[in-house]
Amino acid sequence: GDSVTQMEGPVTLSEEACLTINCTYTATGYPSLFWYVQYPGEGLQLLLKATKADDKGSNKGFEATYRKETTSFHLEKGSVQVSDSAVYFCALSPSSGSARQLTFGSGTQLTVLP
Amino acid sequence: NAGVTQTPKFQVLKTGQSMTLQCAQDMNHNSMYWYRQDPGMGLRLIYYSASEGTTDKGEVPNGYNVSRLNKREFSLRLESAAPSQTSVYFCASSARGLLSTDTQYFGPGTRLTVL
Repeated sequence: GDSVTQMEGPVTLSEEACLTINCTYTATGYPSLFWYVQYPGEGLQLLLKATKADDKGSNKGFEATYRKETTSFHLEKGSVQVSDSAVYFCALSPSSGSARQLTFGSGTQLTVLP
Repeated sequence: NAGVTQTPKFQVLKTGQSMTLQCAQDMNHNSMYWYRQDPGMGLRLIYYSASEGTTDKGEVPNGYNVSRLNKREFSLRLESAAPSQTSVYFCASSARGLLSTDTQYFGPGTRLTVL
């Protein structure tokens, strides 16, 4: 079945450092790929998404490129802020099947120190 | 426009007790979902409703039942709570669940503890 593998956390960075959170997936066909963010005590919010190969999703300075050849969707940010501290989830939605259920990775906790 | 709302926010049950988690969305979405979140395991789908009047099992449905009351509301029921059901429960909705490109919108969650 479909699966998503995320970089293990937790990750601790200093403010203005570069961030990369690795995400690889296993799925048939051409799934859509998502990054969700969960701030402390809140539900998940969509951060960015990409729906076909070579698409780049971007939002709030974060970027991720849909790489079909390496089945990857790594999240990157050039300069993190304290306010980026949160849990980040990579997810995929299959290209066939009913209701297009999301499959999530296990999440990566990011802490940014001032 | 409140998005997806869930009640209650916190709940403590004793083993064997029953309860219903409520979820409502005001975005006129067709599809709704119930997930549970456990440490180190991401979110796992319990049940979903592709459209009003239909419900289907997800990855971890045992011990749960659902009702799609109308287009807005989707409830999750624990008939006889067990400690293994201690978790954070999230409801979500999406506009057109049959499209893989659709974004799911999440509620704030219900933190449930079963003693």
